[in-house]
Amino acid sequence: LAKTTQPISMDSYEGQEVNITCSHNNIATNDYITWYQQFPSQGPRFIIQGYKTKVTNEVASLFIPADRKSSTLSLPRVSLSDTAVYYCLVGGTGNMLTFGGGTRLMVKP
Amino acid sequence: GAVVSQHPSRVICKSGTSVKIECRSLDFQATTMFWYRQFPKQSLMLMATSNEGSKATYEQGVEKDKFLINHASLTLSTLTVTSAHPEDSSFYICSGEGGTGTEAFFGQGTRLTVV
Repeated sequence: LAKTTQPISMDSYEGQEVNITCSHNNIATNDYITWYQQFPSQGPRFIIQGYKTKVTNEVASLFIPADRKSSTLSLPRVSLSDTAVYYCLVGGTGNMLTFGGGTRLMVKP
Repeated sequence: GAVVSQHPSRVICKSGTSVKIECRSLDFQATTMFWYRQFPKQSLMLMATSNEGSKATYEQGVEKDKFLINHASLTLSTLTVTSAHPEDSSFYICSGEGGTGTEAFFGQGTRLTVV
């Protein structure tokens, strides 16, 4: 299983763009990259998933370089409600999802 | 996205009793379900993986006789914590996989407190 490495924590201010990078050097050919958000005492919530290049949805963008050994979650114009833990996971269908330590994002006013 | 419903959200039980937690996929068939445990300020730790109609696969260090997992249908998996002790107090989370995409969807979690 591909192991992921993320910064333990990040601080930002309201209205700023936040980029969280995750490294996954031993990603397998059929692995997808998925990001989840978790608030205290809640289950993780799906944010975005990608395989290569760039994916964008209504809440975030995901940038994946050609070698796929890293990925960057981009949150545009964060607000206080984006304060949460963000997890990067790598795997394919049917593979157990192994969570790394996650990145604790603190958005300040 | 797909919805996974977990019940109860909170439960307090006496030491020595058993507690059952239900995990339902509401709008998709979950061929695989995963159970996690999360302690305060820590990441999710996978406990077991279950496939519909077959026995669960437990992670190393997780007692299968203590944490009974049943995945009898494509929409329901249950985790029973037997003879609960205070050290079993934790946040338990399930997830289901099997929708049209490749992502897994998580329940809202169950806060178990054993007194």
